[in-house]
Amino acid sequence: KAGVTQTPRYLIKTRGQQVTLSCSPISGHRSVSWYQQTPGQGLQFLFEYFSETQRNKGNFPGRFSGRQFSNSRSEMNVSTLELGDSALYLCASSLEGRTERGYTFGSGTRLTVV
Amino acid sequence: AQTVTQSQPEMSVQEAETVTLSCTYDTSESDYYLFWYKQPPSRQMILVIRQEAYKQQNATENRFSVNFQKAAKSFSLKISDSQLGDAAMYFCAYRSGNTGTASKLTFGTGTRLQVTL
Repeated sequence: KAGVTQTPRYLIKTRGQQVTLSCSPISGHRSVSWYQQTPGQGLQFLFEYFSETQRNKGNFPGRFSGRQFSNSRSEMNVSTLELGDSALYLCASSLEGRTERGYTFGSGTRLTVV
Repeated sequence: AQTVTQSQPEMSVQEAETVTLSCTYDTSESDYYLFWYKQPPSRQMILVIRQEAYKQQNATENRFSVNFQKAAKSFSLKISDSQLGDAAMYFCAYRSGNTGTASKLTFGTGTRLQVTL
């Protein structure tokens, strides 16, 4: 079956703009989590969505938001971009989030803010 | 809050040899799960192996095995018969068994593994 699909793979934005990233989970998976990966801070949890509801949230400013649609596809949005938002954004899906089996990740979106 | 520490930024192993990657964690919880993920240049995080804290038996997946020492809060990964395709960043990760935070993974800083001929 198809894996987790993230689009676009690469994105270049200007400081102050906003950006929307997309994640399509594995078919049947209802939980989608987002992570930010940077050389300085490593991998940090942004938030998790399950059945269109945000169920868990990390320590990021309100400029970072997300949503999930009825087909479980998720988007995350970053408004008023800052240079420090340059990162690899990974999403992960699982059947119901609180799984013992781990999560399946996508290949990420590389965001560069200039 | 839980923390995960990987003290080896880089490791190198010869093909066909065995290498062990270290991971320690700090938690006050008794119910949790531990994972090792591999991130090759393709950027996708790939699950290598997982361990439930309530299980005393160490997990094994083909050439990959863990040494889980719950009292010492240690979770090392052993790769046997190393192959060129094992070269990647390896991340140790923790997930709480607490249903309130169960969907969040806490990662270590990673160990870059090089495999040489």
